[in-house]
Amino acid sequence: QMQLRESGPGLVKPSETLSLICSVSGGSMTTDYWTWIRQPAGGGLEWIGRVFGRGSTNYNPSLMSRLTMSLDTSTNQFSLKVASVTAADTAVYYCARGYYDTSRLDVWGQGIPVTVS
Amino acid sequence: QSALTQPPSVSGSPGQSVTISCTGTSIDVGFYDRVSWYQQPPGTAPRLMIYEVINRPSGVPDRFSGSKSGNTASLTISGLQAEDEADYYCTSYTSSSTYVVFGGGTKLTVL
Repeated sequence: QMQLRESGPGLVKPSETLSLICSVSGGSMTTDYWTWIRQPAGGGLEWIGRVFGRGSTNYNPSLMSRLTMSLDTSTNQFSLKVASVTAADTAVYYCARGYYDTSRLDVWGQGIPVTVS
Repeated sequence: QSALTQPPSVSGSPGQSVTISCTGTSIDVGFYDRVSWYQQPPGTAPRLMIYEVINRPSGVPDRFSGSKSGNTASLTISGLQAEDEADYYCTSYTSSSTYVVFGGGTKLTVL
């Protein structure tokens, strides 16, 4: 059964770059869309973007200028970088498995809280 | 402000049915049969409950059902149980450059 797990620093200074990794176990990464979602404390879910198993990316336009996503199928990991962070980027960050033309996200990581301060 | 509109809260007694609505537009909910619903108890990650409007993943009770009419999708939970108390989010694929949009979430209280 596929499992995802986020890892990275829980505290990032303003103006620096937030970097997270999602480790995938129990399946192949090459055919699906590997997605990042975030949720501020007490708030709703926000779709950040996704990276396809062959390397192409789709980003939320509101964050696009600060985002970089990539994946490494040899290590079964994909990553998220958010540059020039502010307090507004403080949230729980989730990674999830998605598919092409659908909002279906069927496997989620447990989430990792990140504070910008 | 979320792209999809959900009621902030709904409630029901055990055994009753509740329906949560999710209203979008002609470029997301109204155009695609690509609506999903997620359940999120406090302090946990979201769990997929419904996808492609009406489909249940393996392991989701058949008390959960989805539907759509025009620009509005709905999640119905019948035979409410205490364990159903959680936040519920709808999401849809969209033809906008955002690709996927979420609703603001609905808090379900089981009385």
